[in-house]
Amino acid sequence: DTGVSQNPRHKITKRGQNVTFRCDPISEHNRLYWYRQTLGQGPEFLTYFQNEAQLEKSRLLSDRFSAERPKGSFSTLEIQRTEQGDSAMYLCASSLAISYNEQFFGPGTRLTVL
Amino acid sequence: GQQVMQIPQYQHVQEGEDFTTYCNSSTTLSNIQWYKQRPGGHPVFLIQLVKSGEVKKQKRLTFQFGEAKKNSSLHITATQTTDVGTYFCAGHDAGGTSYGKLTFGQGTILTVHP
Repeated sequence: DTGVSQNPRHKITKRGQNVTFRCDPISEHNRLYWYRQTLGQGPEFLTYFQNEAQLEKSRLLSDRFSAERPKGSFSTLEIQRTEQGDSAMYLCASSLAISYNEQFFGPGTRLTVL
Repeated sequence: GQQVMQIPQYQHVQEGEDFTTYCNSSTTLSNIQWYKQRPGGHPVFLIQLVKSGEVKKQKRLTFQFGEAKKNSSLHITATQTTDVGTYFCAGHDAGGTSYGKLTFGQGTILTVHP
């Protein structure tokens, strides 16, 4: 399968702990996006990369969140000092770097903060 | 900031009935994309419209982009049980400066009774 993959698929952690998620995009896709989705809502944009450059970050994103894409391939999203409000599905998507292009989503990582 | 709203939030139909969901943006859009998310799944791209007044069809699905590029609709003719899921519209703010930030509506949940 050459789709977008995310690991882990589920993560349960205690409040105050740090967590890190990984996303492997479709290999030829230059752009990579992170979203957060809570029940009954649409995906909420967090940040995106073109190759290794982080080009935009949501103003709503706490400084406890950081994302990297060091070699322009896979990406990691880290949440420090997790809070119960961070519980959500974290989705990664990728696309070609052609104007506004369709995004291919991964299966997501479901985070539960106890 | 840009907001994208969808109505209705829920729609229950009998198989064979038609279904329409409406999408409105608080700002002018560069494009509108539609995604479908099956229960327990991730968003899957359906279509993109970029021109004012554009209409596109995919079998039983008809997508429209408003003349002012601030609204859109998705119409499904003669629904089938396979149409079950949440339908999201999403768009890029025409006044934005990046190709990255895609703003999603909250979605319309469609259930189809056989």
